[in-house]
Amino acid sequence: DAGVTQSPTHLIKTRGQHVTLRCSPISGHKSVSWYQQVLGQGPQFIFQYYEKEERGRGNFPDRFSARQFPNYSSELNVNALLLGDSALYLCASSLTGDGTPLHFGNGTRLTVT
Amino acid sequence: DAKTTQPPSMDCAEGRAANLPCNHSTISGNEYVYWYRQIHSQGPQYIIHGLKNNETNEMASLIITEDRKSSTLILPHATLRDTAVYYCIVRVGYNQGGKLIFGQGTELSVKP
Repeated sequence: DAGVTQSPTHLIKTRGQHVTLRCSPISGHKSVSWYQQVLGQGPQFIFQYYEKEERGRGNFPDRFSARQFPNYSSELNVNALLLGDSALYLCASSLTGDGTPLHFGNGTRLTVT
Repeated sequence: DAKTTQPPSMDCAEGRAANLPCNHSTISGNEYVYWYRQIHSQGPQYIIHGLKNNETNEMASLIITEDRKSSTLILPHATLRDTAVYYCIVRVGYNQGGKLIFGQGTELSVKP
């Protein structure tokens, strides 16, 4: 079975631009979470969605937004990009929204110049 | 902030057991302990999780102390492919979906 897939794998953007990252969960998984991993640190929680509703939000500015579609895929949007947004963005899916293990994709590497 | 403390690095000889410790002294009664590992350039890989009983699967064993303030992940026969950063995580808000709060992890180097 296919794991969590994310696109694109790499992306270079300029300060002030916006970006959309995409995630397809494992088949049958209804919950998607997003994490940001800055070089040398552990991943940080951004959002969780379950059945198209936001279940949790981390300590990130309003420039970050996300949504989940009826097929359970998800998008993460970041507006007005800053240099500090350069990071690996990870998507994870889980079977339900109530604590089943999260399975991560290999991420999108975003570089902001 | 992370609710766990781990040593920053450890070495292990190939074929020997790797025992990775973790302290989580402020863990609440309904919070699970999760272990993930991350190999360079890949996403974190789920290993195992537990609440208060010891757990074992095909990858590893998880030993949780009776007071739940610490745990140990055991890789019984480490191989070179087990070289990775290992994260011990307390999953917060389990019944509301739960978010993972990662710390810095332990960088495990398995040597021939």
